[in-house]
Amino acid sequence: SAVISQKPSRDICQRGTSLTIQCQVDSQVTMMFWYRQQPGQSLTLIATANQGSEATYESGFVIDKFPISRPNLTFSTLTVSNMSPEDSSIYLCSVGSDRRGTDTQYFGPGTRLTVL
Amino acid sequence: GENVEQHPSTLSVQEGDSAVIKCTYSDSASNYFPWYKQELGKRPQLIIDIRSNVGEKKDQRIAVTLNKTAKHFSLHITETQPEDSAVYFCAASTSGTYKYIFGTGTRLKVLA
Repeated sequence: SAVISQKPSRDICQRGTSLTIQCQVDSQVTMMFWYRQQPGQSLTLIATANQGSEATYESGFVIDKFPISRPNLTFSTLTVSNMSPEDSSIYLCSVGSDRRGTDTQYFGPGTRLTVL
Repeated sequence: GENVEQHPSTLSVQEGDSAVIKCTYSDSASNYFPWYKQELGKRPQLIIDIRSNVGEKKDQRIAVTLNKTAKHFSLHITETQPEDSAVYFCAASTSGTYKYIFGTGTRLKVLA
């Protein structure tokens, strides 16, 4: 499976500021996704990062709050904008396997965000 | 839309015993069901998955069963070991969409 890295691994931010999280994959992948995992909770899909076009957001998530870039097939960024303490979560990117006939996703190590 | 329920939320077993975690899904179009293990502070790791054309799949001490009629699937871990202690998530997806709906998670504790 692909090797996935995220930067930063953790950060503590002040409310009202923005943080950009990077996701890097060691091989080209078609599908990339961003998830949020609130403390002690399950994983919730924020959006699908589409290469060369606007991301596809899930219900409850909007581009103004979570702008996403996907400039190529190995890299994506998620920005958490105008942060509040409720944005404190782990943010994970994932990639879909490009092997035909499989829908498997592999996750990055996550970015632990604390907003004060 | 799809909804996935997962039970129990916590499970404690003695080392060597078996553990069973159950998930129920609502969308009959779902046909791919992965299970992830997440250790504290780590990323979710795929441990096993099953497609709707198969009723059971086994990988060493781990097995997954699927009942399409009842829309539920279960994770079975035999001969549990302390390193099996983690949070386990089930998910449901429709092939080709890559959209996972995750269950709420089960915290498994294996007592030595």
